[in-house]
Amino acid sequence: TQLLEQSPQFLSIQEGENLTVYCNSSSVFSSLQWYRQEPGEGPVLLVTVVTGGEVKKLKRLTFQFGDARKDSSLHITAAQPGDTGLYLCAGRRTDSWGKFQFGAGTQVVVTP
Amino acid sequence: NAGVTQTPKFQVLKTGQSMTLQCAQDMNHNSMYWYRQDPGMGLRLIYYSASEGTTDKGEVPNGYNVSRLNKREFSLRLESAAPSQTSVYFCASSMGGVETQYFGPGTRLLVL
Repeated sequence: TQLLEQSPQFLSIQEGENLTVYCNSSSVFSSLQWYRQEPGEGPVLLVTVVTGGEVKKLKRLTFQFGDARKDSSLHITAAQPGDTGLYLCAGRRTDSWGKFQFGAGTQVVVTP
Repeated sequence: NAGVTQTPKFQVLKTGQSMTLQCAQDMNHNSMYWYRQDPGMGLRLIYYSASEGTTDKGEVPNGYNVSRLNKREFSLRLESAAPSQTSVYFCASSMGGVETQYFGPGTRLLVL
């Protein structure tokens, strides 16, 4: 059973469209991270959010941490083919210092 | 800086064989991790080392052992490989806490 549920599992869109990926849990997390992974490589950190209600923006990517720190979302505006990849959320529970639990991931494909 | 390096990149084992996956980091990080990644499962923590000389079990430790040889190196050993251990194994390191985890390129293991 995944502690962190990601949805959707797969998303295929055209270049220029917007997309949102969700990461939900019944547990409270002290922090949450988003990673992007490309084929044959390890995940690379995009952002860390630590405060309930926090919103962070990185160019066309907007990350939000829920007020109750149980959920998060990643929104991409005007997606580009370079955004293609597996997006993973990872949460650190309040009772597990240093250890993160990962969601199953959302595979995003952006076609020209 | 090489970051996080893993050897080997690929390995094929027969059921019952043993092997050790090597991981090294040159970023002077305190914490190191071993994950496995299976389709539809995201990354699952096998073992974790908060600092040199300490190790802790993750979600799926059965069938594995680890050694934190020094601050740089963290190895994962399969004593008697089983087909269920066919997976992609990632090593990661971080300063600890909410800090960024830096991942290696992965080891692809097939157990026949």
